[in-house]
Amino acid sequence: ETGVTQSPTHLIKTRGQQVTLRCSSQSGHNTVSWYQQALGQGPQFIFQYYREEENGRGNFPPRFSGLQFPNYSSELNVNALELDDSALYLCASSSEQGQETQYFGPGTRLLVL
Amino acid sequence: QKEVEQDPGPLSVPEGAIVSLNCTYSNSAFQYFMWYRQYSRKGPELLMYTYSSGNKEDGRFTAQVDKSSKYISLFIRDSQPSDSATYLCAIRRPGYSSASKIIFGSGTRLSIRP
Repeated sequence: ETGVTQSPTHLIKTRGQQVTLRCSSQSGHNTVSWYQQALGQGPQFIFQYYREEENGRGNFPPRFSGLQFPNYSSELNVNALELDDSALYLCASSSEQGQETQYFGPGTRLLVL
Repeated sequence: QKEVEQDPGPLSVPEGAIVSLNCTYSNSAFQYFMWYRQYSRKGPELLMYTYSSGNKEDGRFTAQVDKSSKYISLFIRDSQPSDSATYLCAIRRPGYSSASKIIFGSGTRLSIRP
């Protein structure tokens, strides 16, 4: 059974650019959630995808968007990057919508200069 | 007021000590409580979860919930250097779509000195 994987591990972008982060869910999981974790803070929920549909969204602007593919892998896209977008982006997968037992990937560390 | 408050630490204790990590929450309707451990450069890992008031034990770890005080705790007995990590409490909010239910505390950084 493979765990949750994310790519890339690290990324440096400049303000105004766009970025795409990728996540492969754990085998058998059809739900993927994305979180932003700023330094010294807990993860903040961005949105969740369930069977290729967005299933709820946190307090993030529309320039944060996502996709889920038929194999349940997922992408997080961020447009018009701002300095405050610098953070660790975490993907978590779960079966159905049971977030209580979600499994996190190692994250992508994004630095916006 | 934040929905979940957690002392950020850092907390440093000698090996073998009992560690107490705590969170408070604002809404008495919260019903599901979790503790995650996050090592440096890794994603959070679920340690324990519980629905009800009282204690739940798993090896050296005990999770305690006091709903009347809106206070949750994680105790680590016989602490080991490998327990050095950031510990995050998390709570599920009722009445939301399942997607946005989980909110995390800011995490407590724990260091166990050999």
